[in-house]
Amino acid sequence: GEDVEQSLFLSVREGDSSVINCTYTDSSSTYLYWYKQEPGAGLQLLTYIFSNMDMKQDQRLTVLLNKKDKHLSLRIADTQTGDSAIYFCAEKRAAGNKLTFGGGTRVLVKP
Amino acid sequence: GAGVSQSPSNKVTEKGKDVELRCDPISGHTALYWYRQSLGQGLEFLIYFQGNSAPDKSGLPSDRFSAERTGGSVSTLTIQRTQQEDSAVYLCASSLTRDKDTQYFGPGTRLTVL
Repeated sequence: GEDVEQSLFLSVREGDSSVINCTYTDSSSTYLYWYKQEPGAGLQLLTYIFSNMDMKQDQRLTVLLNKKDKHLSLRIADTQTGDSAIYFCAEKRAAGNKLTFGGGTRVLVKP
Repeated sequence: GAGVSQSPSNKVTEKGKDVELRCDPISGHTALYWYRQSLGQGLEFLIYFQGNSAPDKSGLPSDRFSAERTGGSVSTLTIQRTQQEDSAVYLCASSLTRDKDTQYFGPGTRLTVL
C-alpha cells in the first residue's frame, strides 16, 4: 500500500551485495519485517526488527532501521542466484494486528 | 514442524459461483490471518482471528467475503457469487499469540474467476 513504499526492481551481480530499501509512514510501527517470495510460492519470513533497535544481523542479512527517517533497509551480502525473488517489507503498528506490506522489490541476480 | 498449509493450491471457478478456501495453521498458533495478493492491489489484509475473541474483519472488501475458524484451528474463507476482480492469490498466516507477532505464511491458494 501507499503507507509502505519500496523500489520496484533491483539488478545485482552474483557475489555483490544487494541493498533493498523501504520507507514507511506510521511512527507507531512496533515491528518491521522482511519477507521473500519466490515464483509460485508463499511468503518466507527472512528477518524482522523491533522498532527500538537500529540494526540486526543474521548471517548474510543485515537490517538497518532509521526510525527518525522511517527508513528500513535489507542488505544481502555475497548475493547468490538463489536470492532472486521478490522481497517485501512489512510493518506492524501498535494498534491492530495486521501487517501492512510494501509493493515488493523484484531482485534479479545475474551470474 | 509442519508449516501453514492451504488447500486447494489452485482453484478455477466461474463467475457467480461460491468458493471455499481452507487454511490449517501451525499447531499451537492461536492467531490466524488471511491476506490477498493481487496484481493491482499488492498484499492486502482481509481478516484476523485471535483465540475466542471476535475476529477483526476490517479488511474484507465486501459482504460476499466471510471467514470462520472452527475449534480455534482450521479456518475457511468463503467468497460468494465470485467476480472476476476476486481473482488473486489468497494467503493465510498464523502466529503463536498476539504478543509473539511473527506471522508465518502458507503457500497460498491461487483463485481464478472466469
